[in-house]
Amino acid sequence: DAGVIQSPRHEVTEMGQEVTLRCKPISGHDYLFWYRQTMMRGLELLIYFNNNVPIDDSGMPEDRFSAKMPNASFSTLKIQPSEPRDSAVYFCASSLGGGVWNEQFFGPGTRLTVL
Amino acid sequence: LAKTTQPISMDSYEGQEVNITCSHNNIATNDYITWYQQFPSQGPRFIIQGYKTKVTNEVASLFIPADRKSSTLSLPRVSLSDTAVYYCLVGDIEIETGANNLFFGTGTRLTVIP
Repeated sequence: DAGVIQSPRHEVTEMGQEVTLRCKPISGHDYLFWYRQTMMRGLELLIYFNNNVPIDDSGMPEDRFSAKMPNASFSTLKIQPSEPRDSAVYFCASSLGGGVWNEQFFGPGTRLTVL
Repeated sequence: LAKTTQPISMDSYEGQEVNITCSHNNIATNDYITWYQQFPSQGPRFIIQGYKTKVTNEVASLFIPADRKSSTLSLPRVSLSDTAVYYCLVGDIEIETGANNLFFGTGTRLTVIP
């Protein structure tokens, strides 16, 4: 298995632009998580899905952030409009059963820079 | 919400055993303790999970005292490649919607010195 796949690996954009991050979970996994990592705040959970349904989005910072999972093999995290403070590394992870505490497999991350 | 406290950073020489302690004074009865490892420029990787006493796998050991208010991740004979950030998480694995418990924070940065 190729593991969790994220694209793009790096994204540089200007303030106000729309940014879309993509994730392909490990085949067969029924949980998908989106995280954001910064030096100041560490690794934060933004939202997670179970069987393509959003379960908890309480970590999403504000309405500019949205996430979708149209099918079991694809998810997007969108920021519109982007702001410099959104600069961070965004990770996607997936797991098989057992709730949020089962072993999560992380992707390589997308490094986002908003100028 | 079980809050965890762990050292910000640690240094160790190659070949030594490293013990990273995590404090979780308000751990709940059904909470499990989970550790992840993150190498630079990579996503975190699951290391070990336990509920009480001792758990050991090919990578590490996890020691949990009877009161469960702390836990210690033990890495035997570390090498330079063990330089990473280590996260301690505490939460109830039976609650599938307990996402508020899933808190990584900033972890412990371990630097292994030659």
